[in-house]
Amino acid sequence: DAMVIQNPRYQVTQFGKPVTLSCSQTLNHNVMYWYQQKSSQAPKLLFHYYDKDFNNEADTPDNFQSRRPNTSFCFLDIRSPGLGDAAMYLCATSRDRDTQYFGPGTRLTVL
Amino acid sequence: AQSVTQPDIHITVSEGASLELRCNYSYGATPYLFWYVQSPGQGLQLLLKYFSGDTLVQGIKGFEAEFKRSQSSFNLRKPSVHWSDAAEYFCAVKLTSGTYKYIFGTGTRLKVLA
Repeated sequence: DAMVIQNPRYQVTQFGKPVTLSCSQTLNHNVMYWYQQKSSQAPKLLFHYYDKDFNNEADTPDNFQSRRPNTSFCFLDIRSPGLGDAAMYLCATSRDRDTQYFGPGTRLTVL
Repeated sequence: AQSVTQPDIHITVSEGASLELRCNYSYGATPYLFWYVQSPGQGLQLLLKYFSGDTLVQGIKGFEAEFKRSQSSFNLRKPSVHWSDAAEYFCAVKLTSGTYKYIFGTGTRLKVLA
């Protein structure tokens, strides 16, 4: 089945230690998104890629970076995680501006 | 500014009872409308969507939603709830052009009593 895959499902890191989260998709969608979702809150868009064009949300901290080496893969890099960055990170994809399909998420814990 | 309101933070229903989750949006034109469900520790699964046409939309898992332009609403319904429906439900809207961005409601957490 075509899908959005996120690895790892659970990630533990230390305060200030860089961490990378991975997303891959078999849907061949040209748009990929990264969301941050804290407990009992709605997902918050961090940035998205339209093909190779990177689009950052105005309020996304500089601590968050992203890479998209090809159509299928997208990475979220957190350069110096703080305690406030502990959250669920959701990857989503879409074809152009159509419906977004979400992966299962990566739960990040910062110690 | 565009916004989405889900007025019920928590809803509890008995198994087999009917369900209606409310969603209202604030936007000058008719946006694209979505309902997603999220089980604990999981991603968001699309239940249904409305772009245009018939205002009663059928989705997966027996859910349906009705778009009412006059009320700026897109309420989600299910005639008979199952225990496995316990989850968080998010309404989302997307402007019909010029943006990729969803605006999410704050979610409604559904509890189902056996």
